Amino acid sequence: GEDVEQSLFLSVREGDSSVINCTYTDSSSTYLYWYKQEPGAGLQLLTYIFSNMDMKQDQRLTVLLNKKDKHLSLRIADTQTGDSAIYFCAERGSNYQLIWGAGTKLIIKP
Amino acid sequence: DVKVTQSSRYLVKRTGEKVFLECVQDMDHENMFWYRQDPGLGLRLIYFSYDVKMKEKGDIPEGYSVSREKKERFSLILESASTNQTSMYLCASSFGTPTTKRYEQYFGPGTRLTVT
Repeated sequence: GEDVEQSLFLSVREGDSSVINCTYTDSSSTYLYWYKQEPGAGLQLLTYIFSNMDMKQDQRLTVLLNKKDKHLSLRIADTQTGDSAIYFCAERGSNYQLIWGAGTKLIIKP
Repeated sequence: DVKVTQSSRYLVKRTGEKVFLECVQDMDHENMFWYRQDPGLGLRLIYFSYDVKMKEKGDIPEGYSVSREKKERFSLILESASTNQTSMYLCASSFGTPTTKRYEQYFGPGTRLTVT
């Protein structure tokens, strides 16, 4: 079946790069998404990538896709305290739904 | 910008009360969704709707119902609130037609419901 997996926590020092990883299972062409959730708030769409792409860059964010291993990563350059949040990976499912990972909590150390 | 609003940010209700959570989107999206979010359990889909007056059960529909009388509004109803329905409730909307390839969801700010 379809499943999206992420590790639950990531701790990085302020100013370093953060790399949040995700694996998915759908072997067909699909869209993959990254969302950010700040404390007490809803989810905000950060970026998306289509499965025929290898990479997408948007300012401090870089998305890398390894189709062979079904592995998706989100790199945040120069991590700041404002990047503290839960990051969700999601995959386009059937019937207009998204299949969600459990979310990775990014903790920033001073 | 897509705007999804939810009727309350915080709500406290008593066990057995009927609770209405309302969600409104202003982007003419076909699809609307209700999720609950609990620590350690991620996002769980309660119900969704892909058209006015249409609804589909998600993964955890028990104890909930929904109503979609107008395209922009999707209501979640707790018929008789219980303490295990204390949670963060998130509404989302997306475009969705048979030719749509990409259907990213846009979320409201959430309603934190406490049932005592």
